[in-house]
Amino acid sequence: EAGVAQSPRYKIIEKRQSVAFWCNPISGHATLYWYQQILGQGPKLLIQFQNNGVVDDSQLPKDRFSAERLKGVDSTLKIQPAKLEDSAVYLCASSLALAGAQETQYFGPGTRLLVL
Amino acid sequence: DQQVKQNSPSLSVQEGRISILNCDYTNSMFDYFLWYKKYPAEGPTFLISISSIKDKNEDGRFTVFLNKSAKHLSLHIVPSQPGDSAVYFCAASDDNDMRFGAGTRLTVKP
Repeated sequence: EAGVAQSPRYKIIEKRQSVAFWCNPISGHATLYWYQQILGQGPKLLIQFQNNGVVDDSQLPKDRFSAERLKGVDSTLKIQPAKLEDSAVYLCASSLALAGAQETQYFGPGTRLLVL
Repeated sequence: DQQVKQNSPSLSVQEGRISILNCDYTNSMFDYFLWYKKYPAEGPTFLISISSIKDKNEDGRFTVFLNKSAKHLSLHIVPSQPGDSAVYFCAASDDNDMRFGAGTRLTVKP
């Protein structure tokens, strides 16, 4: 079974530039998550999709971050414009069924973003 | 807000000995707990989980213990192997949310 795919693996941009990350979850997984992991911290949930609907985006900085999962499969996360403090690893995860409810999340390898 | 805390940023043990990683949480609504293992340049991988209706779950060399009254869980690895060297995250969830600790870097020395 293929795992969660993410691209690119690494990205270096200057502040105020835009960047987009892509995630393809495990086939058949209804729920998709984007996390931000800053160095030395645990992953922090940015947004959670159930199929193509948003379940939770309470911690997403909506003035600069946006995400979509139009067809309920793959997803993109965009930052526009980027700030220095956005430097982090962006992890995508998916789970089989409904959000929460004792679901195990499977993580992709992450995209490491460096904002200069 | 740190609802899940791993107070030890690092742990070093000798090969063959027991590794004990600890995790504390504050939200009494959490009812499902997981441990993830993360190697450098990879995403976290699921290791073991426990539901709040249990106090122990075992899978090979890995055992997770849950003390609900103390809001504390621990991961025991026996015997520890050099390949276990990684960062271990504990996570706690309720119906709506999952929170992660900051991680503990385990080093198992040959």
